[in-house]
Amino acid sequence: DIQMTQSPSSLSASVGDRVIITCRASQSINNYLNWYQQKPGKAPKLLIYGASNLQSGVPSRFSGSGSGTDFTLTISSLQPEDFATYYCQQSYTTITFGQGTRLEIK
Amino acid sequence: QVQLQESGPGLVKPSETLSLTCTVFGGSISSSGYYWDWIRQAPGKGLECLGSIFYSGTTYYNPSLRSRVTIFVDTSKNQFSLKLSSVTAADTAVYYCARHRTAGGIDYWGQGTLVTVSS
Repeated sequence: DIQMTQSPSSLSASVGDRVIITCRASQSINNYLNWYQQKPGKAPKLLIYGASNLQSGVPSRFSGSGSGTDFTLTISSLQPEDFATYYCQQSYTTITFGQGTRLEIK
Repeated sequence: QVQLQESGPGLVKPSETLSLTCTVFGGSISSSGYYWDWIRQAPGKGLECLGSIFYSGTTYYNPSLRSRVTIFVDTSKNQFSLKLSSVTAADTAVYYCARHRTAGGIDYWGQGTLVTVSS
């Protein structure tokens, strides 16, 4: 199965900061890459699908890029509600997730 | 508005079989544009997909769990179900059912149900 590796595993940032989270696949997954946000006690929420497509209702400060094996999620200006855990997920083959990136307030 | 709801026992004994059902409201499980997934999250850990099913019955299983997992669909009840056999404490987790678009991304999730494996 395809392994997904996120970096960093945790990150401290301030409101207004620009944040970049990276995700690397163990083999090419074309653009079958999705990003999720999860808050404690809640189900994950889809942010980006197909590597760069913004899910309906998601603020435009979230963006995604990449193809093949290397992908990024960018939050252009952090808001208080963005502090959460973020996961990448590939759907090129049987679904696998990255290990998560915990975004904390500095 | 599509909603998914998991149901099943919250406590399962070691070596027994965990069984959960997901009922889909507000949409048809027979729609061709979607897969239906079971995903779990152990306490304090990340997300793991156990497998997916298409309405036709075609299944895709996590290779590491394939020998213990069965997913099946009942289109007449708009439900899909999970069976995980020979459970251990390591299978204690919140189990989510979810809708996965063939166009990309899991767009709807159940609220999750905690299943504890303990004697």
